[in-house]
Amino acid sequence: AQSVTQLGSHVSVSEGALVLLRCNYSSSVPPYLFWYVQYPNQGLQLLLKYTSAATLVKGINGFEAEFKKSETSFHLTKPSAHMSDAAEYFCAVTFTGTASKLTFGTGTRLQVTL
Amino acid sequence: DTGVSQDPRHKITKRGQNVTFRCDPISEHNRLYWYRQTLGQGPEFLTYFQNEAQLEKSRLLSDRFSAERPKGSFSTLEIQRTEQGDSAMYLCAGGGAAETQYFGPGTRLLVL
Repeated sequence: AQSVTQLGSHVSVSEGALVLLRCNYSSSVPPYLFWYVQYPNQGLQLLLKYTSAATLVKGINGFEAEFKKSETSFHLTKPSAHMSDAAEYFCAVTFTGTASKLTFGTGTRLQVTL
Repeated sequence: DTGVSQDPRHKITKRGQNVTFRCDPISEHNRLYWYRQTLGQGPEFLTYFQNEAQLEKSRLLSDRFSAERPKGSFSTLEIQRTEQGDSAMYLCAGGGAAETQYFGPGTRLLVL
């Protein structure tokens, strides 16, 4: 069965520091991978997606992620954190032939401090 | 803004009551999904529609839950005889030809 693991339920960085949120997936077939962001009491906003094209994917708000098949990883990064980046981040995976239903990780709460 | 709307945004009900939520995707979304998110967890898949056909249901969707998408446009999710364990955020997502899903703002349900 497909699954996603997000290491670190809470990550705290200083404003201006590098953001690194980790995501690993398990799959026997090529996956499609997504990062979503959720602000309090809101729905999920798509940050970026990997769908078997370029392995380095750029998204909104300066975020990017790299698909590494050998490591089964899809970590999210941003060179310089901003206070407005404080939110919950979810990694999700789907596969062809599964009606594209998403399997989500448990999320990582990003805190940005001054 | 994804264009997906949900109503109501918040619902408080007493245990045993029935509740109904509505989701309105954009017209290009022939696929529609319902997910449930409890505190501190990621969303979990409940059910999926391709146009008006309900093609897949999760084991999480007990017989107290029913979902419809009568004309392939809006969808409703009904919970009968609510239980405190049903308290959660209910998220709707729409999708078109590609794999991406676009989420609405969610309906937060609290069962007292």
